[in-house]
Amino acid sequence: GAVVSQHPSRVICKSGTSVKIECRSLDFQATTMFWYRQFPKQSLMLMATSNEGSKATYEQGVEKDKFLINHASLTLSTLTVTSAHPEDSSFYICSARVGATYNSPLHFGNGTRLTVT
Amino acid sequence: AQTVTQSQPEMSVQEAETVTLSCTYDTSESDYYLFWYKQPPSRQMILVIRQEAYKQQNATENRFSVNFQKAAKSFSLKISDSQLGDAAMYFCAYRSFGMADEKLTFGTGTRLTIIP
Repeated sequence: GAVVSQHPSRVICKSGTSVKIECRSLDFQATTMFWYRQFPKQSLMLMATSNEGSKATYEQGVEKDKFLINHASLTLSTLTVTSAHPEDSSFYICSARVGATYNSPLHFGNGTRLTVT
Repeated sequence: AQTVTQSQPEMSVQEAETVTLSCTYDTSESDYYLFWYKQPPSRQMILVIRQEAYKQQNATENRFSVNFQKAAKSFSLKISDSQLGDAAMYFCAYRSFGMADEKLTFGTGTRLTIIP
């Protein structure tokens, strides 16, 4: 079945540094990927929609310069948290649409737990 | 904007019994999709069941079934013959119909505990 791989699963970084999170579709091509953020004991909030070959679409309130998204190929989208601060500590999850039609199912990665010290 | 509400932060059920998780939503759209996702301790989001709003028949997947009440904007999940592996956070989610807006809007989740 379709698999979405996310790496790393956990990362600890110092305040002020940047962290890159990768989301890969392993056995399918994904023209669209989605990045979500989940605070402890809370729901998933969509941050941005990543489109292959074009700029990402960010949700209201999400800083584009803070959370850089690159979707350079049909199997890879990256989220870079720039100049990370402790308030950026969270669980980040990506998902990808399997198939070309809009009603194709979404598959999720295993998530990345980011801790900024 | 659409909203999804799960009013039960926590639920528990005896193993082998049946439990129903509630979900209500608000939308002005007539066509849309509704989902139930399961998030076990591993944090992997797993699709449990999906319902298309234009379908009157309630979706079922083995021990999982939904009660979709479109007029009431209600979408509950029934888990029959509960098993220990069903213990997880369950999220109800909404998605618009069509390419224009593919994002999922999630509820706040219900933590389900299975009592052996």
